[in-house]
Amino acid sequence: DVKVTQSSRYLVKRTGEKVFLECVQDMDHENMFWYRQDPGLGLRLIYFSYDVKMKEKGDIPEGYSVSREKKERFSLILESASTNQTSMYLCASSYRLAGGFYEQYFGPGTRLTVT
Amino acid sequence: EDQVTQSPEALRLQEGESSSLNCSYTVSGLRGLFWYRQDPGKGPEFLFTLYSAGEEKEKERLKATLTKKESFLHITAPKPEDSATYLCAVQFSGGYNKLIFGAGTRLAVHP
Repeated sequence: DVKVTQSSRYLVKRTGEKVFLECVQDMDHENMFWYRQDPGLGLRLIYFSYDVKMKEKGDIPEGYSVSREKKERFSLILESASTNQTSMYLCASSYRLAGGFYEQYFGPGTRLTVT
Repeated sequence: EDQVTQSPEALRLQEGESSSLNCSYTVSGLRGLFWYRQDPGKGPEFLFTLYSAGEEKEKERLKATLTKKESFLHITAPKPEDSATYLCAVQFSGGYNKLIFGAGTRLAVHP
């Protein structure tokens, strides 16, 4: 079974703090993704990575950065947390083979509250 | 604009009452359509992938079908444990590895 784990289930941070969310997958997937999920807005892609040290902006990258130093690990960084970044953050991973389109497997999510 | 719309937004069923959820899409060059189940406070759980019109996939009480404009998730004789939010997502040509998600259908099955 594919396993995607996230470092925290719940996190409370103060405005202005630097926040690190970590994600690890055990399936040797090339692709990794960070989403946020908000009521009424659905899942929105923040960043994705298709290889080590490679990253692409998603639909809402402002206020976030990412790091992928190892294939199995993908980190999301909130440089200076703000209250509008209070959300559920979901990490996902998938294969990336030429010509193929593969399902993404999600982690359990991190519920981040910024006060 | 590439878009995925799910209906209804919420559905309440009695145990054993079969029904269908709809996912319609307007994307240029569909490459794959994915169904997920999401329980409250948890990440989405992968259910099915459909690649071409006419394709069908089944798993227990769930059956997913695909046409050129929409997909249906049929739920036969549902049980209370089928209660969840069901998400549809599409991948399209030029979208690289990105998915566009619908807003989901919240399903409640009552005994």
